[in-house]
Amino acid sequence: GAGVSQSPSNKVTEKGKDVELRCDPISGHTALYWYRQRLGQGLEFLIYFQGNSAPDKSGLPSDRFSAERTGESVSTLTIQRTQQEDSAVYLCASSKRTAATNEKLFFGSGTQLSVL
Amino acid sequence: TQLLEQSPQFLSIQEGENLTVYCNSSSVFSSLQWYRQEPGEGPVLLVTVVTGGEVKKLKRLTFQFGDARKDSSLHITAAQPGDTGLYLCAGRGSQGNLIFGKGTKLSVKP
Repeated sequence: GAGVSQSPSNKVTEKGKDVELRCDPISGHTALYWYRQRLGQGLEFLIYFQGNSAPDKSGLPSDRFSAERTGESVSTLTIQRTQQEDSAVYLCASSKRTAATNEKLFFGSGTQLSVL
Repeated sequence: TQLLEQSPQFLSIQEGENLTVYCNSSSVFSSLQWYRQEPGEGPVLLVTVVTGGEVKKLKRLTFQFGDARKDSSLHITAAQPGDTGLYLCAGRGSQGNLIFGKGTKLSVKP
């Protein structure tokens, strides 16, 4: 596709269940980011993948959160034993990462996660 | 920890007014970016500023990067309802990731 695609667009789950969120980046983009955005708030960095380098996981809020990316393709963000505080929009972005200072991130529309 | 503080947090104005929003940090950034986000969508890049003191114009929007590369401002002239949205600044963190401020939520009323 032409842009970053995220699925599902909405996810309602019960407290304690595991959820998996998917991100399809733009083809050829080596960098991929996950952010969390609570209602009315800014973007909270979660994790960053760059090519074959080890991912920067410094933003993951707890060990219930994990993410994987196979090569330069799809990424999945997994939240285990979900809590109500996990309710937020989860945004994925990708970029070509050709030059750090001029990197342009392209965002998906996000997955709205609601934990009941 | 590198942080970006944005102010004001909320801004509600009438169509035709001018406004300025700010992005400040105690850290030096090699570049800063401004994004705009509309409800239900992801942020969209407006501009990247790289050189200290740089000024960039995008129609009615003027972006400035501070001389010390620690702060930036966005000025909108004659605001229109279509300018409504969440304005986010972002800078490159020491680990290579992109750090965002909490944003300024702008509402322009007709």
